[in-house]
Amino acid sequence: IQLTQSPSFLSASAGDRVTITCRASQGISSYLAWYQQKPGKAPKLLIYDASTLQSGVPSRFSGSGSGTEFTLTISSLQPEDFAAYYCQQLNSYPLTFGGGTKVEIK
Amino acid sequence: EVQLLESGGGLVQPGGSLRLSCAASGFTFSSYGMSWVRQAPGKGLEWVSGISGSGDSTYYADSVKGRFTISRDNSKNTLYVQMNSLRAEDTAVYYCAKNYFWSGNRRLDPWGQGTLVTVSS
Repeated sequence: IQLTQSPSFLSASAGDRVTITCRASQGISSYLAWYQQKPGKAPKLLIYDASTLQSGVPSRFSGSGSGTEFTLTISSLQPEDFAAYYCQQLNSYPLTFGGGTKVEIK
Repeated sequence: EVQLLESGGGLVQPGGSLRLSCAASGFTFSSYGMSWVRQAPGKGLEWVSGISGSGDSTYYADSVKGRFTISRDNSKNTLYVQMNSLRAEDTAVYYCAKNYFWSGNRRLDPWGQGTLVTVSS
């Protein structure tokens, strides 16, 4: 299953609302997770099962979608949110990741 | 607290072999599947391999099938990946991650800090 993430690069300002899209090549129910990765660090889980917020993750992060189209939204971008974001499908093996979205400061 | 600690990375020549380990603590290791995920320098994440809690079921990405073997020792709370016939394109940071793979609850969390594998002559 291929995941197409867009955009691959996003320039935004603190306080902006940001939306990242992930499209699956076939239906994956709601088995999609979102991860955040900062330079030199391991990825951190943000959202799983498309819309469940991982414990400890700020409520400005939200996820939606099912089937083949999913979105990650950051309602008000904070300085610590500038990072790379990846979607991952866990509907079936082999598990796959989207190509990533790098969010940078405008 | 769940902890995952990878080790075994290093420099290896093309065609060579390497075995990575991931020592787990803070949870009942045998109750959870595990995965290896890698990231080539400056690139995105690539899922490499997964294994069930019992070790009976294993899964691989096409890019490593036939060259990598995932295994686990539940008595030692340790996950392994044996990497053979290594290629330059296998150069990456390798992460292990705890799997949740049940109906209505699927994710990789947490992840280890990673170990770097460099394949070069």
